[in-house]
Amino acid sequence: QKEVEQNSGPLSVPEGAIASLNCTYSDRGSQSFFWYRQYSGKSPELIMSIYSNGDKEDGRFTAQLNKASQYVSLLIRDSQPSDSATYLCAVNMGNTPLVFGKGTRLSVIA
Amino acid sequence: EPEVTQTPSHQVTQMGQEVILRCVPISNHLYFYWYRQILGQKVEFLVSFYNNEISEKSEIFDDQFSVERPDGSNFTLKIRSTKLEDSAMYFCASNRLGTEAFFGQGTRLTVV
Repeated sequence: QKEVEQNSGPLSVPEGAIASLNCTYSDRGSQSFFWYRQYSGKSPELIMSIYSNGDKEDGRFTAQLNKASQYVSLLIRDSQPSDSATYLCAVNMGNTPLVFGKGTRLSVIA
Repeated sequence: EPEVTQTPSHQVTQMGQEVILRCVPISNHLYFYWYRQILGQKVEFLVSFYNNEISEKSEIFDDQFSVERPDGSNFTLKIRSTKLEDSAMYFCASNRLGTEAFFGQGTRLTVV
């Protein structure tokens, strides 16, 4: 069974700190990995995609992928209260539709 | 910029009535999804659709739910006999194989 696992949280961090969100997946052949942010009452929006091992940085966001460990993470530097949201990890496991994790709720405390 | 559009934005219906939620995926996308989110809870996967048939469905997607792609552009979710607990935001999404999924803005369904 294809699964994506995330800690549900809430993850609380102080303003200005680094928030670290983690995700594991079951299918070793997975090729594409995505992080979405969802504010309450809104639809998920894509914030990062990563396809190869290593780090990918975009502004305050860094996605990290380790295919050997079947692990993908999202780091948010200089966390702001506006980053408070639910973060969804999504994985493409071969020739199937995207599989989403249940999401981690992040709370940035001012 | 292409986007997924959903209509209506808000639907109020009486318990026991049928509702159809509509979505227009991005035109060159082949995979379509419905998710729902009950107020204050997490996004829950309902169903995925590819090549005119259901690819996967969750345990939530029981016999009262159905999906259809009636023409080349629309993708619909039908709830046959709505219950109070069906009240939620329903999100449609689409993508091409291996790429990110794009979400519509959602339909808020209120069952009274």
